[in-house]
Amino acid sequence: EAGVAQSPRYKIIEKRQSVAFWCNPISGHATLYWYQQILGQGPKLLIQFQNNGVVDDSQLPKDRFSAERLKGVDSTLKIQPAKLEDSAVYLCASSFLAGTTFGEQYFGPGTRLTVT
Amino acid sequence: GQQVMQIPQYQHVQEGEDFTTYCNSSTTLSNIQWYKQRPGGHPVFLIQLVKSGEVKKQKRLTFQFGEAKKNSSLHITATQTTDVGTYFCAGKDVSNYKIIFGKGTRLHILP
Repeated sequence: EAGVAQSPRYKIIEKRQSVAFWCNPISGHATLYWYQQILGQGPKLLIQFQNNGVVDDSQLPKDRFSAERLKGVDSTLKIQPAKLEDSAVYLCASSFLAGTTFGEQYFGPGTRLTVT
Repeated sequence: GQQVMQIPQYQHVQEGEDFTTYCNSSTTLSNIQWYKQRPGGHPVFLIQLVKSGEVKKQKRLTFQFGEAKKNSSLHITATQTTDVGTYFCAGKDVSNYKIIFGKGTRLHILP
């Protein structure tokens, strides 16, 4: 089966500019996650969708980050305006299961963002 | 707030030696997952543990979930160069259902 697709793979922007990332999960996976992974750290969950509803966005900096999954399939994550500390790899993951536990997550290749 | 600590942060072992990484949560977890991330790659799912005291094996890898569902360990027997990477644990807090990853243990194999 096809894996999780993400684009672009790399992006370099200046601070205060905006940027958008796209993710297409594995077909049939109801749950989609966006993570931020700063170099040398573990992934930090930004937002979790189940179908097109938000399950958890408690760690999403909502003053500058937004995400949507309008048709319950692919998703976009936007940063506006970007700050230097947003430099990181943004990982999208999807899973079949949801609910009180969380299912095996399949990660995409990530988008490496550099803010200068 | 909820924390998931992983120790050690780094581990260098001679090829053929054993390796263990530990994951400790400040809160009870509904389940725990382990992932491996190769340098420059993305996390790849290894296993999920759900039951208190559960032990699972995958060839040279042994995973354990503590009785209190607050800690877990991954043990690799007779490491090989292909085991190089960072091993992350991830758990879901039963009180608020938030998912949190540990910071990972980076394993380096000396030939």
